[in-house]
Amino acid sequence: DVKVTQSSRYLVKRTGEKVFLECVQDMDHENMFWYRQDPGLGLRLIYFSYDVKMKEKGDIPEGYSVSREKKERFSLILESASTNQTSMYLCASSLRGQNTEAFFGQGTRLTVV
Amino acid sequence: AQTVTQSQPEMSVQEAETVTLSCTYDTSENNYYLFWYKQPPSRQMILVIRQEAYKQQNATENRFSVNFQKAAKSFSLKISDSQLGDTAMYFCAFMKPRYNNNDMRFGAGTRLTVKP
Repeated sequence: DVKVTQSSRYLVKRTGEKVFLECVQDMDHENMFWYRQDPGLGLRLIYFSYDVKMKEKGDIPEGYSVSREKKERFSLILESASTNQTSMYLCASSLRGQNTEAFFGQGTRLTVV
Repeated sequence: AQTVTQSQPEMSVQEAETVTLSCTYDTSENNYYLFWYKQPPSRQMILVIRQEAYKQQNATENRFSVNFQKAAKSFSLKISDSQLGDTAMYFCAFMKPRYNNNDMRFGAGTRLTVKP
């Protein structure tokens, strides 16, 4: 059974903290993604990676960075958390190629206080 | 950048009836893929159905079917014989395949409630 695992389901952090959100997939997928989900805005792409050490900015990269040192793991980093980064964060992965389905983790609900 | 619009923030339907969720998108591409994802209260996103833009035939998966109108850039989801388990957020998504990656763009979602 395919699996994308996010390290935390709920997280509470203080303003200014450095925050790491971890995502691991066991499907040997080349592509991995981080989305942010907010009511009324849907899912917005933060960053994606199509290979180890490769990354591309999505639509809302400001305030975030990512790391992909191993194929199965894709980390989202909030260098200095702010209250406007309170949100649901979804990780996804997919195979490279045409018409490939994205598989999602269960999400991390991050609250910055 | 491609944009995806879902104009119905919330919808409800009686159990066993049919409901249609709307989605429009904006692109200058000719080759692309469209998806409907379901997110139940458990938060786990699940693929419902997909459509290749080069195929004229509308995709069907059991009780789920789409009405794909390429010229109008419209991609609606029809759910027949609605069940209580269909209650969820539904997201329409657009993907333009590229060699290196297949990044996907989503609409704002439609919250569907199936009433007993």
